Amino acid sequence: AQSVTQPDIHITVSEGASLELRCNYSYGATPYLFWYVQSPGQGLQLLLKYFSGDTLVQGIKGFEAEFKRSQSSFNLRKPSVHWSDAAEYFCAVGNTGFQKLVFGTGTRLLVSP
Amino acid sequence: DGGITQSPKYLFRKEGQNVTLSCEQNLNHDAMYWYRQDPGQGLRLIYYSQIVNDFQKGDIAEGYSVSREKKESFPLTVTSAQKNPTAFYLCASSWASQYNEQFFGPGTRLTVL
Repeated sequence: AQSVTQPDIHITVSEGASLELRCNYSYGATPYLFWYVQSPGQGLQLLLKYFSGDTLVQGIKGFEAEFKRSQSSFNLRKPSVHWSDAAEYFCAVGNTGFQKLVFGTGTRLLVSP
Repeated sequence: DGGITQSPKYLFRKEGQNVTLSCEQNLNHDAMYWYRQDPGQGLRLIYYSQIVNDFQKGDIAEGYSVSREKKESFPLTVTSAQKNPTAFYLCASSWASQYNEQFFGPGTRLTVL
């Protein structure tokens, strides 16, 4: 069965600094991968997704992610963090056939002034 | 505006009572989902439905029930058999083909007293 690991529960980054959130997946076939963001008490918003093709994927709000098959990773990056980026971030992997997603446990991003 | 609505946003119930959470979408999506979110555990799938009048159990279906009588509606009932119902519940929808991301509603926080 597929699984997703987000090894960092919390990360604190200074405003203006770069960000990388880690995501490792376990899946037998070619995965399709997602990053979602959740503000406190809200639903999830899709940041970006990877299905095939270019392994560097651009998303909304200046985020990007790189698919590395050899490392089973799909890390999320942003070159310069804004205070409004403070939220919880979830990585998810899709199942074969019908679209069942398996989510990681999330990483909470704190942005310091 | 197209989207997913969940009501109510906050719900309080006494132990032993059944409660129904509403989820409506006007995106014309075929598939709908219910997730439960607990701190530090990510999102866990309760039930999902690919078409009207059909639904399947997810990973944690015990103590929950659903119906899908209309394409736009997928209500979730939390029964008295659910041992620990206090949680944040998220509804999502998507096209029923592969590679399509899920769109999430704003969530309902259920507290059982």
